[in-house]
Amino acid sequence: GAVVSQHPSWVICKSGTSVKIECRSLDFQATTMFWYRQFPKQSLMLMATSNEGSKATYEQGVEKDKFLINHASLTLSTLTVTSAHPEDSSFYICSASRDSRVNTEAFFGQGTRLTVV
Amino acid sequence: LAKTTQPISMDSYEGQEVNITCSHNNIATNDYITWYQQFPSQGPRFIIQGYKTKVTNEVASLFIPADRKSSTLSLPRVSLSDTAVYYCLVIYNFNKFYFGSGTKLNVKP
Repeated sequence: GAVVSQHPSWVICKSGTSVKIECRSLDFQATTMFWYRQFPKQSLMLMATSNEGSKATYEQGVEKDKFLINHASLTLSTLTVTSAHPEDSSFYICSASRDSRVNTEAFFGQGTRLTVV
Repeated sequence: LAKTTQPISMDSYEGQEVNITCSHNNIATNDYITWYQQFPSQGPRFIIQGYKTKVTNEVASLFIPADRKSSTLSLPRVSLSDTAVYYCLVIYNFNKFYFGSGTKLNVKP
């Protein structure tokens, strides 16, 4: 199957700093990628839709100035957590699909564990 | 978007067949039913997808009745490595997934 890779796999940062997480589709192009957040023992929560060449679309309740998304190419989307605080500590996961047709399988990255101290 | 309802958790023993049922009463005509598996600290992994009747692949079967208001994921002869959370989703078109609570399957030796 197609591969979606995230980097880093885990990161620890100090409160107040910013952290960038990369999501790459390794063997296919993705015009759309999605970012999720998952707290311990909870389900995945969709944060935003990342669109190549245009602004991201955020889900209700997600601060766009807090979670900056850039989708500069067809194989790379980045999520920057700005001025991180301990409550931002979570597991962040991205997904991408091969194309935009109906019910194309979505491939998920391995996730990034963010710990803010 | 159709909401899904699954049991919070299930227990099983190695070698048994496990059936996890998902309710999706508000499924729309164009929605497909898709199941994902997630291990701790990993991204979800696609298991199977179907529209109606029965779909089978090398790891699971998916049974969907005619009214499509529910579906059952069947895992044959589970092993300890099948211990994971299983998510049922109904999806149309844009691959924008809203995950429900999922079912935590615990396989015992």
